[in-house]
Formats: sequence, C-alpha cells, structure tokens
Amino acid sequence: GAVVSQHPSWVICKSGTSVKIECRSLDFQATTMFWYRQFPKQSLMLMATSNEGSKATYEQGVEKDKFLINHASLTLSTLTVTSAHPEDSSFYICSARRAQGGMNTEAFFGQGTRLTVV
Amino acid sequence: GQNIDQPTEMTATEGAIVQINCTYQTSGFNGLFWYQQHAGEAPTFLSYNVLDGLEEKGRFSSFLSRSKGYSYLLLKELQMKDSASYLCALNDYKLSFGAGTTVTVRA
Repeated sequence: GAVVSQHPSWVICKSGTSVKIECRSLDFQATTMFWYRQFPKQSLMLMATSNEGSKATYEQGVEKDKFLINHASLTLSTLTVTSAHPEDSSFYICSARRAQGGMNTEAFFGQGTRLTVV
Repeated sequence: GQNIDQPTEMTATEGAIVQINCTYQTSGFNGLFWYQQHAGEAPTFLSYNVLDGLEEKGRFSSFLSRSKGYSYLLLKELQMKDSASYLCALNDYKLSFGAGTTVTVRA
C-alpha cells in the first residue's frame, strides 16, 4: 500500500519555541493532505486541509497563525507549531490521498508525531 | 454536526466475535471508513462502505445502513493482536472520526 512518512516521530521542545513537522507521501502524489491532532483517549480532530500551491483551509477554532501549514510540493506538507505552549502537547497525525484518486479512495496516515512542550 | 457515536470500551475473549457499533447523524456523506489504531501509532485502514450492506474482508466485516444512520465492524476469531482502538469515520473527502472504541482481547 501507499506510504506516508511523518517526521519527527517525537519531539520535546521548550515553551515559546517553534516546531516543524513534515509529512511526505513517498510513492504517490497528493494534492491534498490533512492534519489531525489527537489527545489521549480521544478521537482524531481535523485541524486543517493542506492544498498544494495554495493556502490551507483551517477548521473552526484552529488558529492559522499558530499552526502554519505549507504544502510546497505534491509530496510534502509541513505543519509548524509556533510559540508552542504546554497545552499544544499532543499527537499530531497527517494523512494524504492520491492526487488521481476520487472521493472514495483510502486516506493513508503518517506514523504521527508526539509533541511534548515543557 | 455529525454526532458520531461509538462505545468507549469493549472486552472479549480470544477466539470470540465482537461487534463494534457506530451511529451518526448527518445529512450526507460518500462512505464510512473503519480504521484500527494501536496506542501511539497511526490509524490503519480496515474497511470502507459506500453502499448499504455487508463488506467482508477475512476476519473483519463491516456493515452500513444509511437509512438507519448505523454501521458496525465485526471482528471474528479474535486474536490478542486485535487489542486496539477502532475508529469509524464519515467520508466527505475530509474524514470525521468517532471517538473510537478500545477493544481488549483476553486470553
């Protein structure tokens, strides 16, 4: 099956610093990637939809200036958590669909990034 | 909202069958996914229903009834490795997930 690689798998940063998370589709092109956040024992909450070559679409309540998304190519999207605070500590997961896929194609997920802000 | 509901936890014995229900309230969607997620890992695809009815894939089967706003995932011949969280998700190109059902398989 298709592979989505997310890096880093885990990161610890100091409060006030920024952290960048990368999401790559390794063997397919993805015009759209999705970024989720998951708190312990809770569901995946969609944060934003990342569109190649255009601005990301953020879900209600997600601060676009805090969670910067860049989708510079058909295989790479990045999420930067700016001025991180302890409440931003969470599991961040990206997913991607094939560029040629239709509405009913499977979404492939990255391995996730465990962010801990101290 | 879509109000996707799943039971929080289920426990079953190795070799048994477990049915995980998922109910939702939404005006329209393309299909319903089921994913498996082990703790600290990304979700992995299990099944997808577009039409009403049963989709069977080995030990896992999934059922959808759009008129009843209901789906279930059936896990047969449970194995210890099936202990995980199971997530249903409505597909409107964006995926909306339920909170997940944690299944614990006991020997």
